[in-house]
Amino acid sequence: DAGVTQSPTHLIKTRGQHVTLRCSPISGHKSVSWYQQVLGQGPQFIFQYYEKEERGRGNFPDRFSARQFPNYSSELNVNALLLGDSALYLCASSSGQGAGEKLFFGSGTQLSVL
Amino acid sequence: AQSVAQPEDQVNVAEGNPLTVKCTYSVSGNPYLFWYVQYPNRGLQFLLKYITGDNLVKGSYGFEAEFNKSQTSFHLKKPSALVSDSALYFCAYPRNTGGFKTIFGAGTRLFVKA
Repeated sequence: DAGVTQSPTHLIKTRGQHVTLRCSPISGHKSVSWYQQVLGQGPQFIFQYYEKEERGRGNFPDRFSARQFPNYSSELNVNALLLGDSALYLCASSSGQGAGEKLFFGSGTQLSVL
Repeated sequence: AQSVAQPEDQVNVAEGNPLTVKCTYSVSGNPYLFWYVQYPNRGLQFLLKYITGDNLVKGSYGFEAEFNKSQTSFHLKKPSALVSDSALYFCAYPRNTGGFKTIFGAGTRLFVKA
């Protein structure tokens, strides 16, 4: 079975532009979470979706939004890009949303904002 | 604030020697705790988790971790390090937000020298 897949793998944008990142969870997984990982730091939680509903939001500005589709894939959108948005964006899926669920991560999208 | 902390940015160990990567937690109640590993240019991979029961948890690749409530620690250990264990290690816990958002420590880089 395929793991969590993310696209694109790399992306270069300029300040003020908009970006859409995509994630396909492991088959059968209904929860998708998004994380931002800045170089040298741990991943920071952005969003969690379960059964197409937002179940958690991290401390990120409204420029960040996400959604989950009926097939459980997900998109992360970032508007009005800033230099500080440059980071590795990780998607993780899990079968449920309980505290004991382990996360399965994709390889990430490396976003560079110039 | 509830969190996990990894006091060491970097750990160096010789191949064949035991290794310890430290994690302390500040979480109320009985915490669920996780360890994840990140290899270069890859997403995170689950190593092990503590939910309840035995304080010594065994995980993937020969790793284990000991939950110590009195010291509020959850250190990751391996009896004999391999060069291939060189990676970035994250301690994490799920915070209840309606769903659960996983909070990661800052990470510890492990270097295993041949």
